[in-house]
Amino acid sequence: SYELTQPLSVSVALGQTARITCGGNNIGSKNVHWYQQKPGQAPVLVIYRDSNRPSGIPERFSASNSGNTATLTISRAQAADEADYYCQVGDISTVVFGTGTKVTVL
Amino acid sequence: EVQLLESGGGLVQPGGSLRLSCVASGFMFSSYAMNWVRQAPGKGLEWVSGISGSGGRTYYADSVQGRFTTSRDNSKNTLYLQMDSLRAEDTAVYYCAKRLMDDYGFDYWGQGTLVTVSS
Repeated sequence: SYELTQPLSVSVALGQTARITCGGNNIGSKNVHWYQQKPGQAPVLVIYRDSNRPSGIPERFSASNSGNTATLTISRAQAADEADYYCQVGDISTVVFGTGTKVTVL
Repeated sequence: EVQLLESGGGLVQPGGSLRLSCVASGFMFSSYAMNWVRQAPGKGLEWVSGISGSGGRTYYADSVQGRFTTSRDNSKNTLYLQMDSLRAEDTAVYYCAKRLMDDYGFDYWGQGTLVTVSS
């Protein structure tokens, strides 16, 4: 079965840039979606189809996907960005989530 | 405004059954595939099941295949998850999620309902 691997945690200083990786075999050939989840809340879609931001998501969130790694970038990190982040891919019959990354804003 | 409201969670004994519901509003329900995603306490997200807009096709994770059944009633804008032969490892918050029209991501999620399987 397909697996997506993320770092357990990423720390970023306030106002700096955080990068969260999502590794998978030839993930560049798939569409990757990213979610933000704060404690006690449902996940929120922050990036869809590799690099697109839904309405209402700040431009500080961007992403790319190539080869065996997809990357979510949070620029000018704010305290409100502290959360768990998950990557995800899917097809007609199955969906796979990444292992999740806890982002801490220092 | 899109809203998804789950209900039906609770405490159930191992081997028991439970049916979850998810009432949708704010969009053309029958036009969208819907999914169930769960999250065990302190763990990551796990996809459980998906169903096409018409309800004619359903898909399941290996971990629930043969025990869980997803269905929908488009006349009631409601998604269901029938869970049988429940195990302790099924304990989780269960979310319903609306799939994107032309891709396999989820643009809206419900608030979740907690299922606890314990004796």
